Amino acid sequence: DQQVKQNSPSLSVQEGRISILNCDYTNSMFDYFLWYKKYPAEGPTFLISISSIKDKNEDGRFTVFLNKSAKHLSLHIVPSQPGDSAVYFCAASAQMIKAAGNKLTFGGGTRVLVKP
Amino acid sequence: DTGVSQNPRHKITKRGQNVTFRCDPISEHNRLYWYRQTLGQGPEFLTYFQNEAQLEKSRLLSDRFSAERPKGSFSTLEIQRTEQGDSAMYLCASSPREGLYGYTFGSGTRLTVV
Repeated sequence: DQQVKQNSPSLSVQEGRISILNCDYTNSMFDYFLWYKKYPAEGPTFLISISSIKDKNEDGRFTVFLNKSAKHLSLHIVPSQPGDSAVYFCAASAQMIKAAGNKLTFGGGTRVLVKP
Repeated sequence: DTGVSQNPRHKITKRGQNVTFRCDPISEHNRLYWYRQTLGQGPEFLTYFQNEAQLEKSRLLSDRFSAERPKGSFSTLEIQRTEQGDSAMYLCASSPREGLYGYTFGSGTRLTVV
């Protein structure tokens, strides 16, 4: 049972344009969401996060939108740069459940290629 | 170095052999996590420690897997009688006790079972 899904395995975008990555979740206990970026042979690195009490969080070129009723979040990268080419993972956590211990449930990832 | 360190970076082993990986978390972090990532998938939770106590184990962690964090600092993950299906990237992460701020992953250990 995949609780976090990224339905687009890959995305190709021209440099300077917007990249939009989507993520859907099924577990209504999830209340904190994160996006990670991963280069080959490296561990995931934190990009941006959002709490379920918000519907938008922005950090520079990165904006995450959360639609709780649809159980959907998206990551916008504007403008996209060649250095953004990587695999992006959406992750979710149930912060309200202390016993969950901050473990993360990840989606399958979206490979982004930004063309110069 | 203030990051999460994992050793070795790569391990090739024959089926049936035992392997052990090490993770050194960020020193002030008292939570430590192990995840496994197979090709084309996202990381999957295996187990986590708060200090030296192992508080949760995923059903993915069969009896052949054991993890320890003896003094609440570094952790080891051992796989006994390795199988080809164990081939994956094993990721370690650490975090402070409260919240997800500072949740940091290491570069992982890539295991290949031949």
